[in-house]
Order: sequence, then structure tokens, then C-alpha cells
Amino acid sequence: RKEVEQDPGPFNVPEGATVAFNCTYSNSASQSFFWYRQDCRKEPKLLMSVYSSGNEDGRFTAQLNRASQYISLLIRDSKLSDSATYLCVVLTNDYKLSFGAGTTVTVRA
Amino acid sequence: NAGVTQTPKFRVLKTGQSMTLLCAQDMNHEYMYWYRQDPGMGLRLIHYSVGEGTTAKGEVPDGYNVSRLKKQNFLLGLESAAPSQTSVYFCASSRDLHTGELFFGEGSRLTVL
Repeated sequence: RKEVEQDPGPFNVPEGATVAFNCTYSNSASQSFFWYRQDCRKEPKLLMSVYSSGNEDGRFTAQLNRASQYISLLIRDSKLSDSATYLCVVLTNDYKLSFGAGTTVTVRA
Repeated sequence: NAGVTQTPKFRVLKTGQSMTLLCAQDMNHEYMYWYRQDPGMGLRLIHYSVGEGTTAKGEVPDGYNVSRLKKQNFLLGLESAAPSQTSVYFCASSRDLHTGELFFGEGSRLTVL
């Protein structure tokens, strides 16, 4: 079983729509969680950390559910520029970072 | 501010050839990493370094060697390339292990024929 699993998508949404997707992790001792964004043929970049109480950064909202071992990302009022692959990243208690394979989001005009 | 720079960006090798990927960072980060990214798979850690002169194996170290002679540089070597090493290689650096914030280079696309 992969340590971090994501629905690869793609999620095709119109501009202005809300899109949400999840990521599940297998190691219950995982301590920190992150979403990275990767544009086509580019390097990954940190989008946001995910806090236990949930957090927002503009149109992006991240949630953590430790009981069910998943994190989620919600994008409101989608823009064309939100089209990317979103990588779920988990830091375990031995400081190992595990990356999901990514969820692709395509926002259409 | 260059951040993390990788060279070369593209390379085509024949099976059995050797090559070295160079990663340089100007952020004075202690930690540096080499990952490979293949379709349908998450980034997988090849080797990493927690400081100048140190290296350690990651998840998929076989067929690769690394060196960190200077704090700002982290080299990844392939001694005898195999088609299974066709991939996109990313170098990254971070301030410490506690943060999940890695700064990545632009990637190096390697094809082994």
C-alpha cells in the first residue's frame, strides 16, 4: 500500500467553480501535512501547510482528519491559473517526507 | 536570487554510460535531496544530505551515488545508466528536517536508451 494516495483526476471544472479533493495517508504517526502545487513540466512548490484545525489561504482551504487519516484541499472561485497538479505531502515522525502522485485540476474558461 | 539550480536540464544517455547531475543552492541550507519523479508515482527520494560531507540513502538509492563536498553543492552520479533510470530528477534543499518546505530546482530530464 502506498504511504500517500491521491485520486489522480483530472478534475475538469469551469472558471468560478469550487473543486475539492482528498488525500489519504497510511502512517498514523504522521505529524505534518502539506499541499504542493506543480505546474506542467515544472518543479513542485509549497502551496500551504495543513494545520489540525484546518486553515485557509485566500481561495484555498485545507482540512485534516486524523481519525480517518486524510487531508483535503478545496479551491473556491477557480481561476484558469489554478490549473496544475496538486501534490499531497506527509511528514512522518521520523522526518521522512512522502509525496502523493498528485491530483490534476484543469480549469476551463 | 537563483535558489536551487540544476544542470543539465536535459540529457540523453546510452545504456552503460555514466553522468553526473549537479545541484547548487544559494540559500545556505543544510539539507539537500535528490528525488526522481515518474508518471503515476509520487516523488521518490534517492539520496539526501544533512550537511556538508554527509550523505544518506533514501527510498530508491540503487544505481546512484552522491557527494556533498561543499555545502552549496550536491552531486548525483549514475555510474552505469540503465533504461529504468529514465526519469525527471529534482534536487531540493531545506533549512531543516522539521519543516515540510522544500525548495526545488527546475528538474533534469534524463533519457537512457
